[in-house]
Amino acid sequence: EVQLVESGGGLVQPGGSLRLSCAASGFTFSSYWMSWVRQAPGKGLEWVANIKQDGSEKYYVDSVKGRFTISRDNAKNSLYLQMNSLRAEDTAVYYCARGSEVDVWGKGTTVTVSS
Amino acid sequence: QSVLTQPPSVSEAPRQRVTISCSGSSSNIGNNAVNWYQQLPGKAPKLLIYYDDLLPSGVSDRFSGSKSGTSASLAISGLQSEDEADYYCAAWDDSLNGYVFGTGTKVTVL
Repeated sequence: EVQLVESGGGLVQPGGSLRLSCAASGFTFSSYWMSWVRQAPGKGLEWVANIKQDGSEKYYVDSVKGRFTISRDNAKNSLYLQMNSLRAEDTAVYYCARGSEVDVWGKGTTVTVSS
Repeated sequence: QSVLTQPPSVSEAPRQRVTISCSGSSSNIGNNAVNWYQQLPGKAPKLLIYYDDLLPSGVSDRFSGSKSGTSASLAISGLQSEDEADYYCAAWDDSLNGYVFGTGTKVTVL
């Protein structure tokens, strides 16, 4: 069964940092682009970043450029999102998702930025 | 602010047909594949349509997608109560170098 499981969310103060992880199973992780997508409370979906199979290409939404870094470890079938200089507007459920079609989603992990 | 525009809500009676529009531009829908997602209340999104009009395995054929120029549409026929959800279109945007989602449409079955 194809599965994505996020972890690492929590409560953090403005200006703080958090590292999200996504464990993939049931498919050949190294063959797929991978993405992070977020959803603020009561709002729509927002793509955050994606990364090519070998990590050689990465793209980010403008609002997180310079603050967030996407990375992957194909040997560990894992995707990561390092989030620095967090702001209140980064509060959201963060989903890990597979492929350029974003065809498989995890259940999400909640990040709350508040003092 | 999303670059793909959808109606905020649509509603229809059971067994009827609804259509959700998604309006974009030449840098996204006009030049790239459109995907559609269904998000049931409190759940993660699920891929409903990919590459404009293809159904993933396991998705009911009551759902169908189409695209013309810089607009796309999702149709749901034989509407059922279980179809009550939020629906999002999405596509890669060549100008933004990012994947953009639509504003989302809430479907209500009357």
